[in-house]
Amino acid sequence: DQQVKQNSPSLSVQEGRISILNCDYTNSMFDYFLWYKKYPAEGPTFLISISSIKDKNEDGRFTVFLNKSAKHLSLHIVPSQPGDSAVYFCAASFGDGNQFYFGTGTSLTVIP
Amino acid sequence: EAQVTQNPRYLITVTGKKLTVTCSQNMNHEYMSWYRQDPGLGLRQIYYSMNVEVTDKGDVPEGYKVSRKEKRNFPLILESPSPNQTSLYFCASSPGRINEKLFFGSGTQLSVL
Repeated sequence: DQQVKQNSPSLSVQEGRISILNCDYTNSMFDYFLWYKKYPAEGPTFLISISSIKDKNEDGRFTVFLNKSAKHLSLHIVPSQPGDSAVYFCAASFGDGNQFYFGTGTSLTVIP
Repeated sequence: EAQVTQNPRYLITVTGKKLTVTCSQNMNHEYMSWYRQDPGLGLRQIYYSMNVEVTDKGDVPEGYKVSRKEKRNFPLILESPSPNQTSLYFCASSPGRINEKLFFGSGTQLSVL
C-alpha cells in the first residue's frame, strides 16, 4: 500500500509563475519529509527537507509546507524556471530514518 | 568528486541468469540502500545497510540479495532474475545519521527477457 502519494502525475507552468507540487501521506508516524528532483538519465538529487516540528522551510526559490493535521505537504517554486523541468519525488521517514518511502513522482514542465 | 557509482548503466539478460549490479561510494558513508523505480509505483526500497556486515530488508526484498563486506561497496545480486524484476534500479548512500539526505547513483536499467 502506497504510504506516500503524489496524485498529480504531471504539471505545466509558465516561466516566472509559481509551481505547486503536492504530496499526501497516510502514516502519522512519519516525522521527516524530503523532496528530490530527478532529470532524465540521472539519479534523484536532494532539494529540500522539513521536520515534523516545523510547518515551513524555505531555501531560495523553494519552500516546503507541511500540514500535519491534513497529512499533506507541498513544494512551492517561485519563480519557476525552465531548468526546473524535472520529475519531483516527495519522500518520508520516521524513527531512525533507515527506511524512506517515496511518492510516485510529479513531472513538472516549465514553459518558456 | 563525491559520487555514487553504479555499473552497468544498462543490462539486458534472460530469465534465470544470475547477475550483479555494483554500487560504490567515495564519501565514506555508513548507510547504503537499493531502490527500484517502476511506473506508477515510485521508488521502492529493496535493501539497506547501516554499516559493514549489517543489512536489512526494505519493502520489496524478494528475489534480491545484497552484501556489505566493505564500507564503500554494496552490490545487488539477482540469483535467478525474472521478468518482473525488469526495472530502473538506484543505489543511494548517506552519512547514516538520522534524517540525512540520500545521494543517488545514476541508475541501472535492467531488462529481464
